[in-house]
Amino acid sequence: SQQGEEDPQALSIQEGENATMNCSYKTSINNLQWYRQNSGRGLVHLILIRSNEREKHSGRLRVTLDTSKKSSSLLITASRAADTASYFCATDLSAGKLIFGQGTELSVKP
Amino acid sequence: DTGVSQDPRHKITKRGQNVTFRCDPISEHNRLYWYRQTLGQGPEFLTYFQNEAQLEKSRLLSDRFSAERPKGSFSTLEIQRTEQGDSAMYLCASSFWGDTQYFGPGTRLTVL
Repeated sequence: SQQGEEDPQALSIQEGENATMNCSYKTSINNLQWYRQNSGRGLVHLILIRSNEREKHSGRLRVTLDTSKKSSSLLITASRAADTASYFCATDLSAGKLIFGQGTELSVKP
Repeated sequence: DTGVSQDPRHKITKRGQNVTFRCDPISEHNRLYWYRQTLGQGPEFLTYFQNEAQLEKSRLLSDRFSAERPKGSFSTLEIQRTEQGDSAMYLCASSFWGDTQYFGPGTRLTVL
């Protein structure tokens, strides 16, 4: 069974707009990771945020983590057509075993 | 390119045949993971190795599935007597201890 749930399942925006994706999970975690996957391809790691961290930035990406609410969000600022992909959150419960959500499908229109 | 390679990239087989996939992780990574992903779903954990030891197997992994990492470097995943329900993308990832996992491009299996 899936531990995480992403919201929304699909998101369509115009180039230049910001995209926000949310992830909720059920049990305590060591860390939470966000990945991107282009259609039919492997996963690309975006950001890892540890359970004692609240916010991390990487370029146009900003991730927040609220362990009291068991939720995380991924913000992509100034989106580009190349950001079109599926985005997954994955929780690390122990020993690095990742539990993935079903993903958010982002479409950025030029 | 993450540095993790998988071979083959695509495999088409007939039901009942055996298939074997290979994963070459990033060389200094001691952990290696296998996941399975079906269309429209997130990856599901199958099994993982720390060096050559297989430390955990998912309940999803039936007796027809076996994985090895004989020298703590590359790994193989074998599926015996394939079924149509085995059709999926098989993903391999590696990490140094429990840090960031880097994924390979995957092997897409189609069972006819």
